[in-house]
Amino acid sequence: DAGVIQSPRHEVTEMGQEVTLRCKPISGHDYLFWYRQTMMRGLELLIYFNNNVPIDDSGMPEDRFSAKMPNASFSTLKIQPSEPRDSAVYFCASSLRGLAGTGELFFGEGSRLTVL
Amino acid sequence: AQKVTQAQTEISVVEKEDVTLDCVYETRDTTYYLFWYKQPPSGELVFLIRRNSFDEQNEISGRYSWNFQKSTSSFNFTITASQVVDSAVYFCALSEVRTGNQFYFGTGTSLTVIP
Repeated sequence: DAGVIQSPRHEVTEMGQEVTLRCKPISGHDYLFWYRQTMMRGLELLIYFNNNVPIDDSGMPEDRFSAKMPNASFSTLKIQPSEPRDSAVYFCASSLRGLAGTGELFFGEGSRLTVL
Repeated sequence: AQKVTQAQTEISVVEKEDVTLDCVYETRDTTYYLFWYKQPPSGELVFLIRRNSFDEQNEISGRYSWNFQKSTSSFNFTITASQVVDSAVYFCALSEVRTGNQFYFGTGTSLTVIP
């Protein structure tokens, strides 16, 4: 079975450019998460969706960041305009939750973003 | 306040030694879940174990074992006879049902196994 698929794996861009990161969750999973990982701050939850609806976006750093989930099999995280401090690894994760409780997160391989 | 504390930032051991990674959590929920994830140098995050708050039985999986103690709010991870392939960053995480199943990750412990 395919896992969580993220693209691009690596992105190098210049300050001020728009960046779009993409994620395809595991089929059937009803939760999708976007995390950012940096040396300084570790793993930070940016936003998560349940059944394509954003539930909590309190981790989104500022208005330059936006995330969408137009359908159950696709999500995007957009940064516009990008800044050097946005350089990080961005992980997408999906999970299957239900009455049984919290399922484990399945992570993609991450998108390493470098903003020059 | 940090919900998950991994006090050990970096640990180095010689191959075949046993090593324990500590994890202390904080929650007011009675129903919660604890996890360990491994992040090898390649960067992906790999799920290792999930434990719910009602199950305090320790678990062993090959060279890995986990010690869950609610009395001390700890969920420690032991690797027996460590190997070079165990070198990675290990994250402990907490998920509270009350707060909508958000995952709270610790800051990670970087383990280096020296051959």
